[in-house]
Amino acid sequence: GAGVSQSPRYKVAKRGQDVALRCDPISGHVSLFWYQQALGQGPEFLTYFQNEAQLDKSGLPSDRFFAERPEGSVSTLKIQRTQQEDSAVYLCASSSGLYNEQFFGPGTRLTVL
Amino acid sequence: EDKVVQSPLSLVVHEGDTVTLNCSYEVTNFRSLLWYKQEKKAPTFLFMLTSSGIEKKSGRLSSILDKKELSSILNITATQTGDSAIYLCAGRGDDKIIFGKGTRLHILP
Repeated sequence: GAGVSQSPRYKVAKRGQDVALRCDPISGHVSLFWYQQALGQGPEFLTYFQNEAQLDKSGLPSDRFFAERPEGSVSTLKIQRTQQEDSAVYLCASSSGLYNEQFFGPGTRLTVL
Repeated sequence: EDKVVQSPLSLVVHEGDTVTLNCSYEVTNFRSLLWYKQEKKAPTFLFMLTSSGIEKKSGRLSSILDKKELSSILNITATQTGDSAIYLCAGRGDDKIIFGKGTRLHILP
């Protein structure tokens, strides 16, 4: 497809497990963003990549959160030792440039029991 | 601290009514103001506003930015039940985008 895809769409993890969330951006989009959206809230910025470079990770809530985009295309958001407060929808968005329109993927709904 | 505040948080109107959603922002090195519509999925883009006073229009939706007041409004005229959604406003700075909590709009038939 031509849009942003994310997998898995749903993930249930036991507290303490590690999870990995994948984002496939639109082909050719250099900018990739990760957001966390808790129930009833707007998306909160987590981190941003320009190609393979992670230019801003100020939104990552703790050092348990780690994101990478090694080849400047697919990105993975990893959460180690998940906790209940990590339960949220994780949205990925890509754009052709930092100040251009962002296209969102469908999100991954993470539930930590 | 950068922030985006939307009001009202929720709104219920009857089909055919006109609604105005508000957004105020404080964003370091402000670049643009974005509006999104979110239903039971990821947000879909509505408008990007960079210049003050220039209205952007798409069908029954329109939006305008006031850089002096650090605010924006989103208008929806002749509302339809399909307009029921959460409307998100976001301010974009140099290196990040900050979302408001959204306005939950419900249109009664």
